[in-house]
Amino acid sequence: ETGVTQSPTHLIKTRGQQVTLRCSSQSGHNTVSWYQQALGQGPQFIFQYYREEENGRGNFPPRFSGLQFPNYSSELNVNALELDDSALYLCASSLDRVFYGYTFGSGTRLTVV
Amino acid sequence: AQSVAQPEDQVNVAEGNPLTVKCTYSVSGNPYLFWYVQYPNRGLQFLLKYITGDNLVKGSYGFEAEFNKSQTSFHLKKPSALVSDSALYFCAVINGGATNKLIFGTGTLLAVQP
Repeated sequence: ETGVTQSPTHLIKTRGQQVTLRCSSQSGHNTVSWYQQALGQGPQFIFQYYREEENGRGNFPPRFSGLQFPNYSSELNVNALELDDSALYLCASSLDRVFYGYTFGSGTRLTVV
Repeated sequence: AQSVAQPEDQVNVAEGNPLTVKCTYSVSGNPYLFWYVQYPNRGLQFLLKYITGDNLVKGSYGFEAEFNKSQTSFHLKKPSALVSDSALYFCAVINGGATNKLIFGTGTLLAVQP
């Protein structure tokens, strides 16, 4: 059984650019959630995808968008990057929307300069 | 609104001594509570959860947590700390509803001295 895999592990972007982060969910999991963890803070919920549909969104602007594919992998896209977008982005997968257990990936460290 | 509070930014304990990391919560309805651990530049590792049943929950690496409904607390404990337990610990609660998103506390840094 494979865990959650995120890529890339580190990324440096310039303010105003666009970035795509990727997540492969754990085998058998059909739900993917994305979290942003700023330095010194707890993770904050961005959004969740269940069977390719967005299933809830946190307090993030529309320039944060996502996709889930038929194999349940997912992408997080951020447009018009701002310095405050610098953070660790975590992906978590689970089976169905009901909590049976979230498995987190190791995250993507995004630095915006 | 659901929330989690971790009142201590840092907890210091000597190796071999018992440790406690505190967490209080505020939710409407029944809480689903979790503890995660994070090592430097890593993702979150699941330690334990409380859904229902016994108030004392046992988890990974010798950790346990006690659910106290009257005090709305879910403190993490370990009888004998190891230096390797030094890490950042997060308490979290499920908010219920269709999304079941995790709401995290701000984290507590555990430092175990040899």
